[in-house]
Amino acid sequence: QQPVQSPQAVILREGEDAVINCSSSKALYSVHWYRQKHGEAPIFLMILLKGGEQKGHDKISASFNEKKQQSSLYLTASQLSYSGTYFCGTVTGTASKLTFGTGTRLQVTL
Amino acid sequence: DAGITQSPRYKITETGRQVTLMCHQTWSHSYMFWYRQDLGHGLRLIYYSAAADITDKGEVPDGYVVSRSKTENFPLTLESATRSQTSVYFCASSESAAVEFGEQYFGPGTRLTVT
Repeated sequence: QQPVQSPQAVILREGEDAVINCSSSKALYSVHWYRQKHGEAPIFLMILLKGGEQKGHDKISASFNEKKQQSSLYLTASQLSYSGTYFCGTVTGTASKLTFGTGTRLQVTL
Repeated sequence: DAGITQSPRYKITETGRQVTLMCHQTWSHSYMFWYRQDLGHGLRLIYYSAAADITDKGEVPDGYVVSRSKTENFPLTLESATRSQTSVYFCASSESAAVEFGEQYFGPGTRLTVT
């Protein structure tokens, strides 16, 4: 079953912050985040493993709440280059497959 | 060239024809995957392979066949193409021994249109 992402789309001005949420109806083993620019392949951002770990690099970070079966991606001081569609992928305890959400389209404007 | 490549990049075929999409990676990654991407559905897993000669179904395997005789190649065949198989197909690979830990590297995609 696909994880649910919210919001479906968001428009930001450069320098603003955004949060993208990913929730699952099943217990999560890991959460993966990818970004895809229009017409290109998805690019890996980060993996979070169960245990409430928070990761990040530069101004993009993520958290993982195992109890709530949720993960959130935080983009701070957004840049034009952050525009694209963000996908979360989840691995549940029942199968070693990555199941992607339907994506969140992020547009950063001047 | 190093990396993961897909061919063809664009394909138009007719309903009922057999089509094979190729995927090749130069990293000797164990895991390889096939996804399809459609508006409103995100990326959906068709088949995956943990190693040569080991394949397993994903979420949407019906109408597709895969094989993996060599580690570096993972072709996807549509046995009798249907219009509902019009999509963008991505191949991916991962060096991790387990899907839950591994970054996946995606190929550039194949845009397939079935008329």
